[in-house]
Amino acid sequence: AQSVAQPEDQVNVAEGNPLTVKCTYSVSGNPYLFWYVQYPNRGLQFLLKYITGDNLVKGSYGFEAEFNKSQTSFHLKKPSALVSDSALYFCAVRDITTGGFKTIFGAGTRLFVKA
Amino acid sequence: NAGVTQTPKFRVLKTGQSMTLLCAQDMNHEYMYWYRQDPGMGLRLIHYSVGEGTTAKGEVPDGYNVSRLKKQNFLLGLESAAPSQTSVYFCASSSPALNYGYTFGSGTRLTVV
Repeated sequence: AQSVAQPEDQVNVAEGNPLTVKCTYSVSGNPYLFWYVQYPNRGLQFLLKYITGDNLVKGSYGFEAEFNKSQTSFHLKKPSALVSDSALYFCAVRDITTGGFKTIFGAGTRLFVKA
Repeated sequence: NAGVTQTPKFRVLKTGQSMTLLCAQDMNHEYMYWYRQDPGMGLRLIHYSVGEGTTAKGEVPDGYNVSRLKKQNFLLGLESAAPSQTSVYFCASSSPALNYGYTFGSGTRLTVV
């Protein structure tokens, strides 16, 4: 079965420090992977995606993610965290077992950036 | 701006009342979805549609109905609201042309008392 896991409920980091939000996946075939961010009282916003090509994907707001096929991971990273990055982050994978119409979301990781 | 628009943004219902949530997208996306978000439960798919006139059940469809009479609109109905349906509802759309990335609406906060 296809799945995505975010092993950390919460990540705390100081402003200016690098941040990593972890994601692992289990899919058959080549994965379509996504990261979304949800700010308080808002809908989810697309950050970045990996479909094919370079394993390091750059996205919005200075975020990037590294696709690692051998470790089946797609960790979200940012070199220098901002207080405004505090939000809920969701990793997601396209579910190709049901025709590819749906996306499976992780449970989310809450990021707190302290000034 | 192009995107997904949900109405209403907030609603309070009494148990047993009915209502319809409207989702409209102006990006010509083929696929549309309704999710609910509850604390500690993440996002759960209620129903989805892969084209005009077609709908399918997600993982938590009970108590909800949907319709997609026009490509740009996806309606979510609650026939007889229950307190367990208190949640934040999100609509989203996607397209194969965009590699299936989702565009989400801003959500509807529904409280059933």
